Amino acid sequence: KAGVTQTPRYLIKTRGQQVTLSCSPISGHRSVSWYQQTPGQGLQFLFEYFSETQRNKGNFPGRFSGRQFSNSRSEMNVSTLELGDSALYLCASSLGGLTSGTSYEQYFGPGTRLTVT
Amino acid sequence: AQSVTQPDIHITVSEGASLELRCNYSYGATPYLFWYVQSPGQGLQLLLKYFSGDTLVQGIKGFEAEFKRSQSSFNLRKPSVHWSDAAEYFCAVGALLRGAQKLVFGQGTRLTINP
Repeated sequence: KAGVTQTPRYLIKTRGQQVTLSCSPISGHRSVSWYQQTPGQGLQFLFEYFSETQRNKGNFPGRFSGRQFSNSRSEMNVSTLELGDSALYLCASSLGGLTSGTSYEQYFGPGTRLTVT
Repeated sequence: AQSVTQPDIHITVSEGASLELRCNYSYGATPYLFWYVQSPGQGLQLLLKYFSGDTLVQGIKGFEAEFKRSQSSFNLRKPSVHWSDAAEYFCAVGALLRGAQKLVFGQGTRLTINP
């Protein structure tokens, strides 16, 4: 089975621009979660999508948004980029939908390294 | 609220020495527990998981972890570390929040290996 893929792997953007990151989950996984990782703040949860609906959201401003398509692929958008948005953005997929432990088991992609100048 | 604490931010051990990384969690129900490893600039890789049953679980790369309910702990161990084990390690607990599954992560422990 192919793992979680994220594109692009690296991005350099200028303050004020917007960016869209893409994530393709493992086949059969219906839940996609996004995380921001920085040296200062560590791993922070952005949001989670399941069956095209946002189920969970972290404490990030409205500039951060996402969506999920019917094939479970997900995109994350950041508008009006700030220097502080420079980070590794990680996507993780899981089965979701059930209350067993397996549904919590997340598999991560390699991440997208975003640099804002 | 659910939380995970990894008391050690940074640990240094010599190659060949044993390793124990600590993890304490706070969760009202029976926890689903995970350990992940992250090499620099990479995503997180699942090392092992605990759902129920035997409290000593085996994972990949020679790691094991023991669930101790009385201590709310899930410590990661390896009998003999290799230089390639240098990485950051994250403990996580699965929590049901507003009807949705979520992983709550600890702050991570950075492992350095001395040759």
